[in-house]
Amino acid sequence: DTGVSQDPRHKITKRGQNVTFRCDPISEHNRLYWYRQTLGQGPEFLTYFQNEAQLEKSRLLSDRFSAERPKGSFSTLEIQRTEQGDSAMYLCASSPTLGDTEAFFGQGTRLTVV
Amino acid sequence: QKEVEQNSGPLSVPEGAIASLNCTYSDRVSQSFFWYRQYSGKSPELIMSIYSNGDKEDGRFTAQLNKASQYVSLLIRDSQPSDSATYLCAVPDSGGYQKVTFGTGTKLQVIP
Repeated sequence: DTGVSQDPRHKITKRGQNVTFRCDPISEHNRLYWYRQTLGQGPEFLTYFQNEAQLEKSRLLSDRFSAERPKGSFSTLEIQRTEQGDSAMYLCASSPTLGDTEAFFGQGTRLTVV
Repeated sequence: QKEVEQNSGPLSVPEGAIASLNCTYSDRVSQSFFWYRQYSGKSPELIMSIYSNGDKEDGRFTAQLNKASQYVSLLIRDSQPSDSATYLCAVPDSGGYQKVTFGTGTKLQVIP
């Protein structure tokens, strides 16, 4: 499969627990993005990596959120001390650096905090 | 703060009709515009990109851009029930594609 892969597809967690999501971008895509989408809204930008460097992070992102891309390949997004308001679809996307093409999205991870 | 505005709908059209989806944006320097289609519970899928004023056609889809009016639209000809989805207008940051601002999306319902 050559598309963007996200794991898990669904996650139900209790409030206060930590969760971690993984994203495997399209092979050789240098850029990787995380977005969050709640019901009835468009995706909201969270953060952006070029290779292993996190170049931009949304001001809307609280300190409970952290993302890494240690080897410039896959990325993880961790949410600590989850709150009910964190319930959303977390989308990962990737794009190549050259040519400034559009980003391709993975299938997303649906998080439900109960 | 860049804003991208869309009517949330739903927009209902009969099968075979033309569906017209509209989007306005606030950033005058924006150069590129994307339309994504998103089926319920699925991730967004890019269907059209447009960079120049005027029309761009791809099969049954036509994107129209008017930078002076800061307006971009998507026409779907011969609408099919399978076109029923939410259509997201998206505008990337100027100078790169590091961050894309999405509208809230317009839900389209094609009635058989």
